[in-house]
Amino acid sequence: GALVYQYPRRTICKSGTSMRMECQAVGFQATSVAWYRQSPQKTFELIALSTVNSAIKYEQNFTQEKFPISHPNLSFSSMTVLNAYLEDRGLYLCGARDMGGPDTQYFGPGTRLLVL
Amino acid sequence: LAKTTQPPSMEAYEGQEVNVSCSHTNIATSEYIYWYRQVPHQGPQFIIQGYKDYVVNEVASLFISADRKLSTLSLPWVSLRDAAVYYCIVTDMNTGGLSGKLTFGEGTQVTVIS
Repeated sequence: GALVYQYPRRTICKSGTSMRMECQAVGFQATSVAWYRQSPQKTFELIALSTVNSAIKYEQNFTQEKFPISHPNLSFSSMTVLNAYLEDRGLYLCGARDMGGPDTQYFGPGTRLLVL
Repeated sequence: LAKTTQPPSMEAYEGQEVNVSCSHTNIATSEYIYWYRQVPHQGPQFIIQGYKDYVVNEVASLFISADRKLSTLSLPWVSLRDAAVYYCIVTDMNTGGLSGKLTFGEGTQVTVIS
């Protein structure tokens, strides 16, 4: 079956430091990978969408300078949160779409970021 | 993109059928209806999708009104494992499908009572 792994599951960083999180698609090829942030209040924000053979598209209020993303192949993506501050805390979710499967998006369990 | 409206919460006893409604009065002809659910400490899980009429899979069934402005997710014989936040998402195939952008609303918290 199609699975999405995210690593780490939980991380703590000091204010002003950076942390990198990874997303791995297993059992399928991810034509697109979307990174979301779910706030402590449970609201979702789309950070950026990375599609194979296209430039990464960032949503308003999110920039490549703050959230650089790498999507080197159809099974792996990583995102870094640079200069993390309190407002960056939350659950970072990776959603990957299966190129050859049904039109659905598979999500990983998320990386929970706590900023001290 | 059409906005969706769901009840904030619902309760049901184990073994009952749960019907979660979603209003999407401004749905466009190009848009499909997706349902996801999220349990604590996990990412959203796809349940079902549909365009019109009635869709069923091994997990749930989805009824869509004739004018497509209302959909109802039906969960038969709920168990404690079905307790989650259920999200109704309306998006067109170009954004939610092929490109992968989904817009989550507030969702419906379904509580299952043993």
